[in-house]
Amino acid sequence: TQLLEQSPQFLSIQEGENLTVYCNSSSVFSSLQWYRQEPGEGPVLLVTVVTGGEVKKLKRLTFQFGDARKDSSLHITAAQPGDTGLYLCAGGYQKVTFGIGTKLQVIP
Amino acid sequence: EADIYQTPRYLVIGTGKKITLECSQTMGHDKMYWYQQDPGMELHLIHYSYGVNSTEKGDLSSESTVSRIRTEHFPLTLESARPSHTSQYLCASSELGQNNEQFFGPGTRLTVL
Repeated sequence: TQLLEQSPQFLSIQEGENLTVYCNSSSVFSSLQWYRQEPGEGPVLLVTVVTGGEVKKLKRLTFQFGDARKDSSLHITAAQPGDTGLYLCAGGYQKVTFGIGTKLQVIP
Repeated sequence: EADIYQTPRYLVIGTGKKITLECSQTMGHDKMYWYQQDPGMELHLIHYSYGVNSTEKGDLSSESTVSRIRTEHFPLTLESARPSHTSQYLCASSELGQNNEQFFGPGTRLTVL
């Protein structure tokens, strides 16, 4: 089983601050997905990274896939209260593995 | 926008009852999944399917069963609900070979008294 470790598990910041969360594994993944989940709802797909070293931007969110395709990061610039949620990374082909997630709280 | 639906959204039942959680998707996806998630905890895969008449158990042992008679429909059944089954159940689907990008339903919050 391919494991994905996410850090930090919890993050509470003020509106306007920048932050980075991480998704790490000892295994190589052909692709990784990032999802955001709000309380009481299902996760929503944000992005898929496929190529080692790839950088994708989604408004204030920047996703990077490690060169060796074993890790990924999510950077949020000028966080907003609407960014609050659980950020999950996932990967795998036959069976998808999810990380435990980073619970982000952005305080107005 | 993903078209995957789960009903009911909330269910409170007594111990020993038989329940079926419904999940349907209109995207024609071959792969479907059921996850169990306790509040603030990680997702645990309990069942998945690669297509009609295909069902497999996931990583987390579950007393529930699933069926896949039609591509769009993947119901989950508990024959005799217990308080330990209280959790959030999430259904998802994905296309074959599309990096396993999953589209999730809104979930069913089950409480067994």
